[in-house]
Amino acid sequence: DVVMTQSPDSLAVSLGERAAINCKSSHNILINSNKKNYLAWYRQRPGQPPELLISWASIRESGVPDRFSGSGSGTDFTLTISSLQAEDVAVYYCQHYYNTPPTFGQGTRLEIK
Amino acid sequence: QDQLLQSGTEVKEPGASMKVSCQPSGYAFTSYAIVWLRQARGQGPEWMGLISPHSGDTNIAQKFQGRVAMTRDISTSTVYMELRSLTFDDTAVYYCARGRGTNSPVDLWGQGTLVTVSS
Repeated sequence: DVVMTQSPDSLAVSLGERAAINCKSSHNILINSNKKNYLAWYRQRPGQPPELLISWASIRESGVPDRFSGSGSGTDFTLTISSLQAEDVAVYYCQHYYNTPPTFGQGTRLEIK
Repeated sequence: QDQLLQSGTEVKEPGASMKVSCQPSGYAFTSYAIVWLRQARGQGPEWMGLISPHSGDTNIAQKFQGRVAMTRDISTSTVYMELRSLTFDDTAVYYCARGRGTNSPVDLWGQGTLVTVSS
């Protein structure tokens, strides 16, 4: 199975400041034939199911604020929140969907400093 | 509004079976795959497999093969996931979610079903 490793495990950022979460896959999840990275980012607020923020490494889902952005390719990816809001307190997960089984990172807990 | 409605909390003894239902609404039942995932306390989600409501075809993670069954009832627009031979390690929140196949993210999640395995 492809192993997804996130860093850091937890992060405390002041309101309005930038937060960055990293995700590294054990296998290249870029398919050259279509130039797509098979990576998604999810946010899970306390007591809620995860919600999809970004797919294909950098495509924001409809309705997701533009303070969220995804970058990276191959094995190294980053989720950036440009200006942290109170409602962004959550655990964030990366997930590959390159092959079976799709696997998730261990999660990064984001808190307000 | 698109949503996935799951069945309620269950408590099971070791060795028993569990069966969770998932009923999509707001979109055509056969248009999307239904993915099953679970999440133990403090852990990331774990992908268990998926079913095509259109064909009934399934793709089950190797870890769960032989122990899980995913079925659908087109007449009631309901998808089911049955997990057999439960152990304490199967205690988790089980989610159904909507996707376009194995090689796609899931864009809509059910509310989750807590299953506790306890003696």
